[in-house]
Amino acid sequence: IQMTQSPSLLSASVGDRVTLSCKAGQNINNYLAWYQQKLGEAPKLLIYNANSLQTGIPSRFSGSGSGTDFTLTISSLQPEDVATYFCQQYNSWYTFGAGTKLELK
Amino acid sequence: EVQLVESGGGLVKPGSSLKLSCVASGFTFSSYGMHWIRQAPKKGLEWIALIYYDSSNKYYADSVKGRFTISRDNSKNTLYLEMNSLRSEDTAMYYCARAVPFDYWGQGVMVTVSS
Repeated sequence: IQMTQSPSLLSASVGDRVTLSCKAGQNINNYLAWYQQKLGEAPKLLIYNANSLQTGIPSRFSGSGSGTDFTLTISSLQPEDVATYFCQQYNSWYTFGAGTKLELK
Repeated sequence: EVQLVESGGGLVKPGSSLKLSCVASGFTFSSYGMHWIRQAPKKGLEWIALIYYDSSNKYYADSVKGRFTISRDNSKNTLYLEMNSLRSEDTAMYYCARAVPFDYWGQGVMVTVSS
């Protein structure tokens, strides 16, 4: 199942509300996760089952969507949120999107 | 605290073999399916292999099927990836990860295949 993320690069200011998009090539029954990868680090699970917040993740992160269209929202961007964000489906094996690189404006 | 620590990477020539290890701690290793995922330099993430908690089932991505073998030793809390017939396109950071979704990842180990 192909996963398409947009945009590939996003520039935003501290405090901004940021929205990242992920589209699946077919219905994935909400088996969608979001990961954050900071430079030189392993990915970290943020959201699973499309909208469930992983333990220990700040509440400014939220996930939404269903079927084929999903969104990761950061309600108020913080400097430490600079990273690349990947979506991943686990409805049929496991495929990742190409990522959205989030930088500070 | 859950920890996954990979080792065994390095620089190898095309056609050669390498075996990666991932030592787990902080959880009951024998209760979880485990995965290997890789990331080529400046590229995205690619799932490559899954092993069930009891080694009863193993699955591979087409890109590595027939060349890579995933295994585990629950008595040693260790996951393995044996890689044969390595190609330049296998050059990547290799991560082990727990369960689905991948809730914990190791720090990764670099494998470089080059002549």
